[in-house]
Amino acid sequence: GAVVSQHPSRVICKSGTSVKIECRSLDFQATTMFWYRQFPKKSLMLMATSNEGSKATYEQGVEKDKFLINHASLTLSTLTVTSAHPEDSSFYICSGAGSSDYEQYFGPGTRLTVT
Amino acid sequence: GQNIDQPTEMTATEGAIVQINCTYQTSGFNGLFWYQQHAGEAPTFLSYNVLDGLEEKGRFSSFLSRSKGYSYLLLKELQMKDSASYLCAVTDSNYQLIWGAGTKLIIKP
Repeated sequence: GAVVSQHPSRVICKSGTSVKIECRSLDFQATTMFWYRQFPKKSLMLMATSNEGSKATYEQGVEKDKFLINHASLTLSTLTVTSAHPEDSSFYICSGAGSSDYEQYFGPGTRLTVT
Repeated sequence: GQNIDQPTEMTATEGAIVQINCTYQTSGFNGLFWYQQHAGEAPTFLSYNVLDGLEEKGRFSSFLSRSKGYSYLLLKELQMKDSASYLCAVTDSNYQLIWGAGTKLIIKP
């Protein structure tokens, strides 16, 4: 099956700093990538959808200047959390979808802790 | 390696009951999720099991056996809107999510 990786798997950063999370599709070309935030034991909240080479589409309530998304190639998307605050601590998950189907393949997630 | 298996596709009849199985082999276990995903939409959380047994939530129930590395999602009184993909995901010892490929459930009248 299709594989999506994320790096780093966990990161701790200080309040006010920025952190970048990478999402890679390893064996397929992800025309579309999705970024989610998972709340403890609960739902995945879709943050944004990005298509390769174009600007990401953010969900209502998600600050695009705070959560910078870049989808520069068909195998890589990055999420940068700028000026991180403790409330940004969460589990961030990406998924990728190829152009031939709408099925999403999910990454293992990145745990961000802001101190 | 880490692996989660679930059937690729299942078909059931409206009003019936269907059981979607999920078996896993992971390095450690810190819980198992079931999500429902309609085409073009974000996954919706259905259940989270970390202890053995059956958890019932309305028409949906989820069962876990950690010793067998096995879970199932039981859907009762099937409705047409239950046609969707059902994703099984396990949190491993590093709290990383290992995802199944999803089971596409087709409900027929």
